[in-house]
Amino acid sequence: NAGVMQNPRHLVRRRGQEARLRCSPMKGHSHVYWYRQLPEEGLKFMVYLQKENIIDESGMPKERFSAEFPKEGPSILRIQQVVRGDSAAYFCASSPLRLAGGYNEQFFGPGTRLTVL
Amino acid sequence: DQQVKQNSPSLSVQEGRISILNCDYTNSMFDYFLWYKKYPAEGPTFLISISSIKDKNEDGRFTVFLNKSAKHLSLHIVPSQPGDSAVYFCAASAEYGNKLVFGAGTILRVKS
Repeated sequence: NAGVMQNPRHLVRRRGQEARLRCSPMKGHSHVYWYRQLPEEGLKFMVYLQKENIIDESGMPKERFSAEFPKEGPSILRIQQVVRGDSAAYFCASSPLRLAGGYNEQFFGPGTRLTVL
Repeated sequence: DQQVKQNSPSLSVQEGRISILNCDYTNSMFDYFLWYKKYPAEGPTFLISISSIKDKNEDGRFTVFLNKSAKHLSLHIVPSQPGDSAVYFCAASAEYGNKLVFGAGTILRVKS
């Protein structure tokens, strides 16, 4: 059973360009989370999605950032008009269908390291 | 607003001895706590967790202790091994299965 896949692993963009980060959850997982890690910091929650639904986007910057998890295909985190401050490691995690009253562990992908020149 | 704090940026321990990593939190709504281990250029790997209804959970060499009144948890690794050298993140959740709030991490170095 393959783990969470993210691509690309490394992405270099110039200021003003668009960055698209992809995440394929583990087989059978229907919940996807995106986190961002700035240098010397912990991971910060950005957005939580289920298939075709955004459940919680409280950690997502209001402008330039968007996320989707379509019925078919990977989840996409899109950053428009990137700036140097967007340089970070972006991690995706997935979990299975949440059982009532239980906790479902989040399994993390290897991350995409975005560098904005 | 740092809701989960790991005040020790790094820890160095001799192989075979105990490693104790600490974590403090401020949000009393947190009801589930986790420890993740992370190697460079990899994603975090789940290590061990504890629900707020417990005060201890053990899994092999790893034990997590939770002190709710002090809003403090700790991870004990006994005995420590060189392969344990990594960054350890404490994380907490206020709602089962939803977003995790992470601490800044502690770099553990186990010397052989």
